[in-house]
Amino acid sequence: DGGITQSPKYLFRKEGQNVTLSCEQNLNHDAMYWYRQDPGQGLRLIYYSQIVNDFQKGDIAEGYSVSREKKESFPLTVTSAQKNPTAFYLCASSIFFGTVNQPQHFGDGTRLSIL
Amino acid sequence: RKEVEQDPGPFNVPEGATVAFNCTYSNSASQSFFWYRQDCRKEPKLLMSVYSSGNEDGRFTAQLNRASQYISLLIRDSKLSDSATYLCVVSTNTGGFKTIFGAGTRLFVKA
Repeated sequence: DGGITQSPKYLFRKEGQNVTLSCEQNLNHDAMYWYRQDPGQGLRLIYYSQIVNDFQKGDIAEGYSVSREKKESFPLTVTSAQKNPTAFYLCASSIFFGTVNQPQHFGDGTRLSIL
Repeated sequence: RKEVEQDPGPFNVPEGATVAFNCTYSNSASQSFFWYRQDCRKEPKLLMSVYSSGNEDGRFTAQLNRASQYISLLIRDSKLSDSATYLCVVSTNTGGFKTIFGAGTRLFVKA
């Protein structure tokens, strides 16, 4: 089955610790995205990547880092610089960017909490 | 003013009712429009894209009004399983990639 897999489902971070959230897709999509969702709020874009070895900051990139070494993988690291990391993190992908944006398809998310 | 605004609701309707949601957007250069549904503590799932001519998928009808900068979603014959939060999404590549998710409208369908 084609889809987007995020892991782990739940993650706990200690003070001063970096943690990495995994996102893998087998849809052969070019573009991948990371969002953060806080209770009662809309999704906010952290980073996105249109092609391998390229990525761009979204609206709330501070305290986060990403890499895109393979088409199917787009891991997100939440660094100790992110002071309020507790949230629901969603990874998404879409087919080629082009001039008109295609709908994004989401993984089932990772819930990150501070210990 | 938010870039994408939705009435947060909740909308409480009986089964079989017709319910409509509106979503307004501020960027006139927006090119792509979508409705997603999100169940509690789950990921958003694409419900339908929204086209200029309007489009229908079963009990769901989406409309786009570029002049007034809003999109709408109409649900006919509501089912209990339609209870969810409905997210409006507006996207553009003009001046750089930008996709904005609305905060969502909550719908409760009651028996």
